Amino acid sequence: DVKVTQSSRYLVKRTGEKVFLECVQDMDHENMFWYRQDPGLGLRLIYFSYDVKMKEKGDIPEGYSVSREKKERFSLILESASTNQTSMYLCASRGNTGELFFGEGSRLTVL
Amino acid sequence: GEDVEQSLFLSVREGDSSVINCTYTDSSSTYLYWYKQEPGAGLQLLTYIFSNMDMKQDQRLTVLLNKKDKHLSLRIADTQTGDSAIYFCAEGSNYGGATNKLIFGTGTLLAVQP
Repeated sequence: DVKVTQSSRYLVKRTGEKVFLECVQDMDHENMFWYRQDPGLGLRLIYFSYDVKMKEKGDIPEGYSVSREKKERFSLILESASTNQTSMYLCASRGNTGELFFGEGSRLTVL
Repeated sequence: GEDVEQSLFLSVREGDSSVINCTYTDSSSTYLYWYKQEPGAGLQLLTYIFSNMDMKQDQRLTVLLNKKDKHLSLRIADTQTGDSAIYFCAEGSNYGGATNKLIFGTGTLLAVQP
């Protein structure tokens, strides 16, 4: 079975802090994604990566950056966290028939 | 742009069938997916259907696709309390081999009453 692991399930940070969310997949998938999920807004794509060191902006990239130094690992970075970035963050990797496999999510609260 | 719409809430009694509906706008959709999300967890892929199919059945789950009307449904037979969750419809396309970005609906909360 595909395994997508997100490093932190719950984080509490202060405004202005730098936040790293890490995601690892074990299926040698090329494509990886970061979404945020908010009530009433569904899933919104932040960034995705289709290869090592390659990245593309999704629908809401502002305030975020990403890093893909190794194929299995895709990190989401909040350079200076703000309260409007309080959300559930979901990492996913893409299988051969286009389906996404998701991690368990990281719930971030910014105070 | 592409859009996927779902109703927000569905309530059924245990043992009844549930039907969750979804409409999408992208006529070039190649794959359509159903995901389930339990409280506090990530999304779990339930099933998917290729756009050249009308129906797919997998145990208690039946997916129906009306490509003309761009309408997708998920039927859960003999609904159980463990089926209570948010269900997301998603559509995806391949554009000349470029990365497939799934477009998700806002999710339907299924509440199963004992």
